[in-house]
Amino acid sequence: QSALTQPASVSGSPGQSITISCSGTSSDVGAFDLVSWYQQRPGTAPKLMIFEDTKRPSGVSNRFSGSKSGNTASLTISGLQAEDEADYYCCSYAGVRTWVFGGGTRLTVL
Amino acid sequence: QVQLQESGPGLVKPSQTLSLTCSVSTDSMTFGNFYWNWIRQPAGKGLEWIGRIYTTGNTNYNPSLKSRVTISIDVSKKQFSLKLTSVTAADTAVYYCARGDKDDTRPADYWGQGTLVTVSS
Repeated sequence: QSALTQPASVSGSPGQSITISCSGTSSDVGAFDLVSWYQQRPGTAPKLMIFEDTKRPSGVSNRFSGSKSGNTASLTISGLQAEDEADYYCCSYAGVRTWVFGGGTRLTVL
Repeated sequence: QVQLQESGPGLVKPSQTLSLTCSVSTDSMTFGNFYWNWIRQPAGKGLEWIGRIYTTGNTNYNPSLKSRVTISIDVSKKQFSLKLTSVTAADTAVYYCARGDKDDTRPADYWGQGTLVTVSS
């Protein structure tokens, strides 16, 4: 069970859109529609932003959207705002009742 | 609303056992219908899923930690616990407890604030 692969960092200007990728395998990301995305601001616990690949929990802005193609999931943030600056982690069900996280991506709003 | 709070020693000596407890503030029906997870994060690094337990006592563990981890639950107290044996400096991390859906749709939706455990002599 290896960690999912994310870019270490991405950046964008206010108002722009950015996409963070999350690469896995046919045993995790590609096998189940169970990728989640978390936002973590410094010194705080992660917050669930997307679950089941594309669904948003109640209260999460519709500027956040999830998608998947094959073994790669993606998180897109549109209309980038300063408050979106944070670390983002993907997480996938990996079968056999286990979960695996990605290494995390730091989003910088320029 | 669901609230989780981790508690336990902040300092553990190498080779000893790390023990943490998570207290959950919620109604009994909610407590009985979710998985309860432990997740950790070394300073400046990513998240690592440690394992989870259901109220029946059924557990699932990260294969890389399975030989050293035990998660248990006290339904009457709405608490669940983590024991990690033979710790080394590599186990130094912020440890979070979190709630997960029993149908595996949301691995962790409510989280505790996290507690830092340092492994050092």
